[in-house]
Order: sequence, then C-alpha cells, then structure tokens
Amino acid sequence: KQEVTQIPAALSVPEGENLVLNCSFTDSAIYNLQWFRQDPGKGLTSLLLIQSSQREQTSGRLNASLDKSSGRSTLYIAASQPGDSATYLCAVKEAGANNLFFGTGTRLTVIP
Amino acid sequence: DTGVSQNPRHKITKRGQNVTFRCDPISEHNRLYWYRQTLGQGPEFLTYFQNEAQLEKSRLLSDRFSAERPKGSFSTLEIQRTEQGDSAMYLCASSRGDEQYFGPGTRLTVT
Repeated sequence: KQEVTQIPAALSVPEGENLVLNCSFTDSAIYNLQWFRQDPGKGLTSLLLIQSSQREQTSGRLNASLDKSSGRSTLYIAASQPGDSATYLCAVKEAGANNLFFGTGTRLTVIP
Repeated sequence: DTGVSQNPRHKITKRGQNVTFRCDPISEHNRLYWYRQTLGQGPEFLTYFQNEAQLEKSRLLSDRFSAERPKGSFSTLEIQRTEQGDSAMYLCASSRGDEQYFGPGTRLTVT
C-alpha cells in the first residue's frame, strides 16, 4: 500500500525566509503528485500538480519538484509571508487509480 | 465557476442517528470523490463517482455508509446509525482532468 510521509510535522520560520517542505512516497509508480494548502477547519486548496513525467512546477513564489525514482517531492516557498501560515499536504495518485494518497501534512507558521 | 460546495458545513448529531451530507461539484466536472479527514491526519479516500456511476469504494466505507450521485450532478453521503468514531471532516472533491478540487468540507460531531 502506498504510504506518504511528510517531514517535518511542524515548522516555524521568520517572515522573509525561504523554506522547503518535504514529501516522500513508498511506491514510485505514481501518475502525479499534488500539493495542497489547508487552513484550520477549512477544505484543501490545490497549489501545484506535477505529472510523473515532469521534474518541477512553479506558481508565483512556489516551486515543487519531483524525483519519482527516489520517491521524493519538495515544495519550495520563497520569501515567506505570515499569510503562508497553514498546513501543507502532499498527495500522490497511482497509475491506474482514481484516489489520492495523502501525507499527514506539515504545519507551517511564519512569524511576522 | 463557484467551486465545490458542501452542505451543511457543520453537523452535530447524537449517536445512533442518521445524517446526510450534500456535495455540489464544479459544473462539468464528471468525476466526484469523497474523503474523510480526522484531526491531525491527511484525508482518506472513501468513494469515487464517474458521472452517476459509483466506480470505487474503499474499505473505510462500511455498510452504514452509502453514497449516491443521481444524474451525475450533486452527490449525497449518508451515514446510518452514527457512531462516535464517525466524527470527522467529510471532504468532497471533483475533477475533469487530473487535478482534484476540494470543497470546504462538512464537520461531523457525534455525541
């Protein structure tokens, strides 16, 4: 069964710092990987989707990379802001499957 | 495009009661998913619809749970004889391609 792990579970940084969130998955036969943001008590907001054939995707201050062979993805956030404070979840979709397998998330706090 | 909507946003019920949640996907999204999320965990897949057909159910979906998507539009998730262990956030997502878009969720509390 696919297992997705996110380290660290929580991260606190001062405003303006660049940071990296990590995601690892056990089965490299994935179709795509999606990064989400979740604010407390809210639903999920899709940030970036990387297809298995891609190495990275960028949106504004966010850059996500994928190393399928090693089972790893990173989400890079540049020039962090207090509004970036949230839980960040990664999820993988396996080839031939319909559902997403989620990690437990990294809770990010950006201190003004 | 108003996004995925879910109702109610919060539901408190007593153990043993039945509850029903509704999800309205993004228009023209033919795929619809239900997930459950407990505190401190990532969402876990419950079931998947393509148009009106329920094509996949996870083992988490016990016989007390039933989902429908009549006419391939909105979907309902019903839980019968609720238990305290059913307390969770129930999330609905829809997609037309590869990217899944999530609703705000329905938080269920069983007392």
